[in-house]
Amino acid sequence: KQEVTQIPAALSVPEGENLVLNCSFTDSAIYNLQWFRQDPGKGLTSLLLIQSSQREQTSGRLNASLDKSSGRSTLYIAASQPGDSATYLCAASLMNYGGATNKLIFGTGTLLAVQP
Amino acid sequence: GAGVSQSPRYKVAKRGQDVALRCDPISGHVSLFWYQQALGQGPEFLTYFQNEAQLDKSGLPSDRFFAERPEGSVSTLKIQRTQQEDSAVYLCASSPHGDSFPSTDTQYFGPGTRLTVL
Repeated sequence: KQEVTQIPAALSVPEGENLVLNCSFTDSAIYNLQWFRQDPGKGLTSLLLIQSSQREQTSGRLNASLDKSSGRSTLYIAASQPGDSATYLCAASLMNYGGATNKLIFGTGTLLAVQP
Repeated sequence: GAGVSQSPRYKVAKRGQDVALRCDPISGHVSLFWYQQALGQGPEFLTYFQNEAQLDKSGLPSDRFFAERPEGSVSTLKIQRTQQEDSAVYLCASSPHGDSFPSTDTQYFGPGTRLTVL
C-alpha cells in the first residue's frame, strides 16, 4: 500500500526565514505529486503540481522539487510571512494503486506557523 | 467564476440518523471526487465520478456510504445509520478532465462539510 508521509508534523519559524517541508512516498510509480495548502475551516488550495517527468515547479516564493528515485518531494518557501501560516499537504496520484488513476493519496500534513 | 461549493457546511446528527451531503462542482468539470478527512489527518479518497459514471468506489468504508451524480453535475454523498466514527470533514473536489488525464489535472476543492455524530 502506498504511504505518503510528511516531516515535520509541525513547524514554527520567525518571519523572513526560508524553510523546507518534506514529503516521502513509498511507490515511485506516480503520475504527479501535488502540494496543497489548507487554512482552518476551509478546503484545500492547490499550490504546485509536478508531473512525473518533471523535477521541479516554481510559483512566486514557492518551489517544489520531485525525486522519484528516492521517493521524495520538498516544498521550499522563501522569505516566509505570517500569511503563510497554514497546514501544507502533499499528495500523489499513483500508477499502481488501482481504480481511478487521478485519485490522490495524501500525507498527514505539516502545520506551519510563521511568527511576526 | 464560482468554485466548488458544498452544503451544508456543518451537520450534527444523532447516531443512527441518515445524512445527505451535497457537492456542486465547477461547471463543466468532468471529474468529481469525495474525500474524508478525520481530525489531524490528511484527506482519504472515498469515491470518484467521471460525468455520471461512478468509476471507483474503493474508498467507501462500508455499505452505509452511497454516492451519486445522476446528471453528471451535482453529487450527493449519503451516509445511512450514522456512527460516531463517521465524524469527519467530507471534502468534494472537481477537475476539468476525465481519468485519462492524470498527469496534469489539478483538483479544485470545496470548503467541506463537517459532520459530527453524537
